[in-house]
Amino acid sequence: RKEVEQDPGPFNVPEGATVAFNCTYSNSASQSFFWYRQDCRKEPKLLMSVYSSGNEDGRFTAQLNRASQYISLLIRDSKLSDSATYLCVVRSSGTYKYIFGTGTRLKVLA
Amino acid sequence: EPEVTQTPSHQVTQMGQEVILRCVPISNHLYFYWYRQILGQKVEFLVSFYNNEISEKSEIFDDQFSVERPDGSNFTLKIRSTKLEDSAMYFCASQALAVTDTQYFGPGTRLTVL
Repeated sequence: RKEVEQDPGPFNVPEGATVAFNCTYSNSASQSFFWYRQDCRKEPKLLMSVYSSGNEDGRFTAQLNRASQYISLLIRDSKLSDSATYLCVVRSSGTYKYIFGTGTRLKVLA
Repeated sequence: EPEVTQTPSHQVTQMGQEVILRCVPISNHLYFYWYRQILGQKVEFLVSFYNNEISEKSEIFDDQFSVERPDGSNFTLKIRSTKLEDSAMYFCASQALAVTDTQYFGPGTRLTVL
């Protein structure tokens, strides 16, 4: 089983739609969780950290389910500018090693 | 806003040559990282560096790779004898204080090994 697994997509959605991505991780000792965004041929940029209680930042909501070892990202009211690859990132307790998923491609269509 | 910078943006080299990729992390940051991303594939952790020593490294980071912070500002990745499969985008990242802090990535160096 891959350490961090994501559906590669692409997810093609119309503007204004709500879209959800899931990510599963295999190491139960994982401690820190993040969603990054990566535009084509650019560096990853932090979208949001994911906290145990779940957290929201504007149109973006992240959830963590430790029992099932998955993380989710919900994007509401999609914009054309949301088109990118969304990367799930996990760090295990006591390590400095960040494991990236393969990413999920999102295309928001006009 | 402070940013991580990397040079060069694109490096072309012959197989077997040594390359040095350079990064200038955000000043006052203490944790530094190198990642690579082969075209079309995921971002892969190579190494983390703190307090002038390697904290952790992946299986990819073999004896051909080394890192250094020679002058307190630059953070370099050296590949001693490049292979075709080293062709990738190499990203440097820095982090302020603790592992829960945000990692800031540089724009990357595209390495092409011929």
